[in-house]
Amino acid sequence: EIVMTQSPATLSVSPGERATLSCRASQSVGRNLAWYQQKPGQPPRLLMYGASTRATGIPARFSGSGSGTEFTLTISSLQSEDFALYYCQQYNSWPLIFGGGTKVEIK
Amino acid sequence: QLQLQESGPGLVKPSETLSLTCTVSGGSISTTNLYWGWIRQSPGKGLDWIGSISYRGTTYYNPSLKSRVTISVDTSKNQFSLKLSSVTAADTAVYYCARPPDYGGNSWDYWGQGSLVTVSS
Repeated sequence: EIVMTQSPATLSVSPGERATLSCRASQSVGRNLAWYQQKPGQPPRLLMYGASTRATGIPARFSGSGSGTEFTLTISSLQSEDFALYYCQQYNSWPLIFGGGTKVEIK
Repeated sequence: QLQLQESGPGLVKPSETLSLTCTVSGGSISTTNLYWGWIRQSPGKGLDWIGSISYRGTTYYNPSLKSRVTISVDTSKNQFSLKLSSVTAADTAVYYCARPPDYGGNSWDYWGQGSLVTVSS
């Protein structure tokens, strides 16, 4: 079973700054990697699939990169609505696995 | 606009079976190459995939839950369902049903609002 590890657990960033979130897979998942944003009391929202393709309606300040075992989600200029939890998920093989999450908080 | 809605009891006793149904509206569950899924989130914790099912009934389950999970589909009602047997307090969670994007793969683009299920006597 693939293990997905996200770092850091918490990221403190000032509004307008760049945020860089990491996700590592214990074995290659190709580019079958998705990113989600979750706010309290809401279901997750798909941000990115295929490692680097933005889902419908996702602003251009979100970008994804990586392949194989190392992936990055970058938020170029944090807006107030971006402070939330972020999860990665591999869907290269069953079972589907989520990472443990990164909380992006206001510095 | 596709919508998913979970329904079922909010309270289940230990050792009993948790049952939830996801009703799909605004689209057909009988979509080829897509697997509909159940995902749960324990209070204050991360996301755990429970299992997935195609409209033909092909299933994949999380190995950690496989012995207790059954997911089924009813295309006539545009619904799919989750049963989790022998529940304990550790199964207390918000349970989400979800669907992948139109272009396929097994990420999750459409989500229900979630159903909180508490396991307690």
